[in-house]
Amino acid sequence: DIQLTQSPSFLSASVGDRVTITCRASQGISSYLAWYQQKPGKAPELLIYSASTLQSGVPSRFSGSGSGTEFTLTISSLQPEDFATFYCQQLSSYPITFGQGTRLEIK
Amino acid sequence: EVQLVESGGGLVQPGGSLRLSCAASGFTFSDHYMDWVRQAPGKGLEWVGRRRNRANSYTAEYAASVKGRFTISRDDSKNSLDLQMNSLKIEDTAVYFCARANIGGGSRSFDLWGRGTLVTVSS
Repeated sequence: DIQLTQSPSFLSASVGDRVTITCRASQGISSYLAWYQQKPGKAPELLIYSASTLQSGVPSRFSGSGSGTEFTLTISSLQPEDFATFYCQQLSSYPITFGQGTRLEIK
Repeated sequence: EVQLVESGGGLVQPGGSLRLSCAASGFTFSDHYMDWVRQAPGKGLEWVGRRRNRANSYTAEYAASVKGRFTISRDDSKNSLDLQMNSLKIEDTAVYFCARANIGGGSRSFDLWGRGTLVTVSS
C-alpha cells in the first residue's frame, strides 16, 4: 500500500498568513494526487486534483505542486473560512489512500 | 441539483449487518465510478471501496479491512449505489460517505461527496 505522510499534522496561523502543507508518498505516484478540505461535521470538498489543477469554484489563493513523491498545498493568504482539516489522497494505485490530515487552526 | 444523499445508517450489534444506500441526482450516474469512504469518530478518511461503471464491466475494488465482508453494488436505472456490510465489527463505526470519482482525461479525484450517514457498531 502507498502511505501518505502529511506535515505538519497541526498548524496554527493567522488571517493573511501564507501556509504550506506537505504530503509525501512512500513510492512514486506521478501526479495522481488530490487535496481536500473538511470542516467539522461536513463532507470533504475537493480543492486540487492532478497535484496542481484547481477544482472549479475553488479560490485562487489555493495552489498545489509536486510530482512523484513530494507534494505541497499552499494557501497564499489565509481567510477566516479556510480554517479546517486538509487531506491529501493518492489515486495512483489500489488501495486508494489518504494522508492523516493537517488541522489548521486560527492563532 | 447535483448531489449525493446517503441513507441507512444506524446502530447495529457486532456481527450484524447493515445496508447503506446513496441516491444520486443531477448528473449522469451511469458514466461514473462510485466510491465509499468512511471516517471513524475524530479520525481521518479511509477509502472503503469502488464500483466501476458499465464501460468497465462494473468491477469492484475493496480495502483490505472490509474485503469479504462488504459488497458495493449499483443500480444505474435507479441512480443508486449501495454498501452491504456484513459481520460488522466495532471498528467499522464511522460516518460513511458516498463519493463520485472523476477519472476523465488522466485526472483522478473524488469531485462530489454526500453528507454521510453514521454507522455505530456496539452491543
